[in-house]
Amino acid sequence: AQSVAQPEDQVNVAEGNPLTVKCTYSVSGNPYLFWYVQYPNRGLQFLLKYITGDNLVKGSYGFEAEFNKSQTSFHLKKPSALVSDSALYFCAVRGAVGSGNTGKLIFGQGTTLQVKP
Amino acid sequence: NAGVTQTPKFQVLKTGQSMTLQCAQDMNHEYMSWYRQDPGMGLRLIHYSVGAGITDQGEVPNGYNVSRSTTEDFPLRLLSAAPSQTSVYFCASSYWYRGLGDGYTFGSGTRLTVV
Repeated sequence: AQSVAQPEDQVNVAEGNPLTVKCTYSVSGNPYLFWYVQYPNRGLQFLLKYITGDNLVKGSYGFEAEFNKSQTSFHLKKPSALVSDSALYFCAVRGAVGSGNTGKLIFGQGTTLQVKP
Repeated sequence: NAGVTQTPKFQVLKTGQSMTLQCAQDMNHEYMSWYRQDPGMGLRLIHYSVGAGITDQGEVPNGYNVSRSTTEDFPLRLLSAAPSQTSVYFCASSYWYRGLGDGYTFGSGTRLTVV
C-alpha cells in the first residue's frame, strides 16, 4: 500500500539559512512524488514534482527536492529561507494503479515551516 | 481562469441540517475527489470519482454522499450535519486515464462549522 511520512511536525529556521523538510514514502513500482504548500486560509498550491529523470527537481519560489530511491526519500530544500516561506508543507505520493497502488495521491501529515527573521 | 471552483467559502450549519458543497472544474479532468483537513491530521480522503457515473469511498466517507453526473461537477452532500464534521473541505481534480504524472489541482476550500 502507498504511504507517506513527514517525521517533523514543525521545522524552525532563521531567515537566510538553508532549510530541509523531510519526506519518506512507500509505494510499489516507480513513484510520482509531489510537494504542495498551503498558506494560512488558502488551498494547496503545487510546488514541484518528480516523475522520472534527474534526482534533483527544481520548483516554484526557489524550492527544490532530492529524490533518493535507495532511501525512499524526497526531501524538500531551499538554500536560503525567507520569512514568507512560512507555511504548511505537504509531501504526496502517487503510484500506478495495481500492485497495491490505488492511483490516488496519498498525503503526508504536513510539516509547518517557521522562518524567523 | 481554468481551475477548481468551490462554493460556498464559508458555512455555518446547525446540527442535523443538510447541505451540499459544490465543486466544479473546467479542465476536463476525469478524477475528482473531496478531502477534509483537520488540525494535526493532514488531508483525509472522503470520496472520489474517476469519471461521470463512477464514485467510490475514501478513508472517511461516513455522513457524506457524492454523485458525478457530469465530468465537470462533483458535489458533496452532508446528510445530517454533526459537530464532528466541522472542518475545512477541499475539492481536487486531476487527469486519470491520461496518466498519473500530474498532481492535483485544488479548490480554495470551504470552511464548515457545525454548531
